[in-house]
Amino acid sequence: QLQLQESGPGLVKPSEALSLTCSVSGGPIRSSSYYWVWIRQPPGKGLEWIGNIYYSGDTYYSPSLKSRVTISVDTSKNQFSLRLTSVTAADTAVYYCARQISAWLAYDSWGQGSLVTVSS
Amino acid sequence: QSALTQPPSASGSPGQSVTISCTGTSSDIGGYNYVSWYQQHPGKAPKFIIYEVNKRPSGVPDRFSGSKSGNTASLTVSGLLAEDEADYYCSSYAGNSNYVFGTGTKVTVL
Repeated sequence: QLQLQESGPGLVKPSEALSLTCSVSGGPIRSSSYYWVWIRQPPGKGLEWIGNIYYSGDTYYSPSLKSRVTISVDTSKNQFSLRLTSVTAADTAVYYCARQISAWLAYDSWGQGSLVTVSS
Repeated sequence: QSALTQPPSASGSPGQSVTISCTGTSSDIGGYNYVSWYQQHPGKAPKFIIYEVNKRPSGVPDRFSGSKSGNTASLTVSGLLAEDEADYYCSSYAGNSNYVFGTGTKVTVL
């Protein structure tokens, strides 16, 4: 059974960088069948796709966040990470990591989510 | 790209059916058959219930069905159960390796 677990600080100051890591267990991150994705959800609002990464390191980002986002992968640790720079209160959200099946372009497994609050 | 448009709410009595629409453009829903749907209970992560417009993953009851016409996709939940009360989100491939979610619909079982 695949499991994904987000980890990282729950509080980040405005203008600083947000960093989260997703640890994957129960299956290898190095697989041609999947993309690894970050999605966020501001409190009381809808889901927003941030970006994804292939095990090879190829990345794709939301146009609206592209200038501030970096997603990386560490296949040796079976982890992938998110870095979002110059955060503001608008970046306060629950951040989910998920697995995307490349053939279906759908997200079949999700982490439990990690609330990150941007506040001084 | 803009979020796909869903009605904020929908409701039905137990045993009835409810249909949720998800409207996009020819650049996302209308251009690809990569529409998926997710169910989210309060405080929980979303759960994957439909992919490629109308296919159900293993373990998802056949009470959940999907369809698409033009730039609008739909999710129908038949035989409503109390446990179906949740938020539902659509998602679509939007070309150029981008993806977009819907605005979300809260389904209430009366």
